[in-house]
Amino acid sequence: EVQLVESGGGLVQPGGSLRLSCAASGFVFSTSSMSWVRQAPGKGLEWLSYISPSSSPIFYADSVKGRFTISRDNAKNSLYLQINSLRAEDTAVYYCAKRGALDVWGQGTTVTVSS
Amino acid sequence: DIVMTQTPLSLSVTPGQPASISCKSSQSLLHSDGKTYLHWFLQKPGQSPHLLIYELSNRFSGVPDRFDVSGSGTDFTLKISRVEAEDVGVYYCLQTVEFPRSFGPGTKLEIK
Repeated sequence: EVQLVESGGGLVQPGGSLRLSCAASGFVFSTSSMSWVRQAPGKGLEWLSYISPSSSPIFYADSVKGRFTISRDNAKNSLYLQINSLRAEDTAVYYCAKRGALDVWGQGTTVTVSS
Repeated sequence: DIVMTQTPLSLSVTPGQPASISCKSSQSLLHSDGKTYLHWFLQKPGQSPHLLIYELSNRFSGVPDRFDVSGSGTDFTLKISRVEAEDVGVYYCLQTVEFPRSFGPGTKLEIK
């Protein structure tokens, strides 16, 4: 069964950092592009970042460029999102999804930015 | 950047009746490889989004054939031939023809 499991979310103060992880199983992770998408409470979906199978190229939404860093470890079948300088508006559920068409999504991990 | 719009933003449908959702892009989603990189997702209440249709008109695994898509270039329509109770949720279109990717605002489907 193809599965993506996010982790690493939590409550963090403004200005803090988090590293989100996405564990992949059931497919050949090393040949699949991956993306991060988030959803603020009661809002729609926002695409954040893309990473190719080889880790190059990488793309970001303008809203997170310079603060978010996507990476992957193909040996560990894992995708990561480093989030720095967190703001209240980063409060959201963060999803990882595979391939260009985002054909499989994880269950999401919740990030709450609050003092 | 490509801007995606959807109409209506909400609709209420009687079971067994058809439903239609429009998605428009500010630029053509037709790639030079001949594919149209427009995809549709459904997010059921309390769940993660899941893929319904990819590359304009291909139903993803397990998606019933009462879901269909028409359109080309910049104008697209998702049609549900006979709405069922399990179809409730928010429908999103997504373009992946270029970066940054962009979603439509979503269309909430409710059952009357």
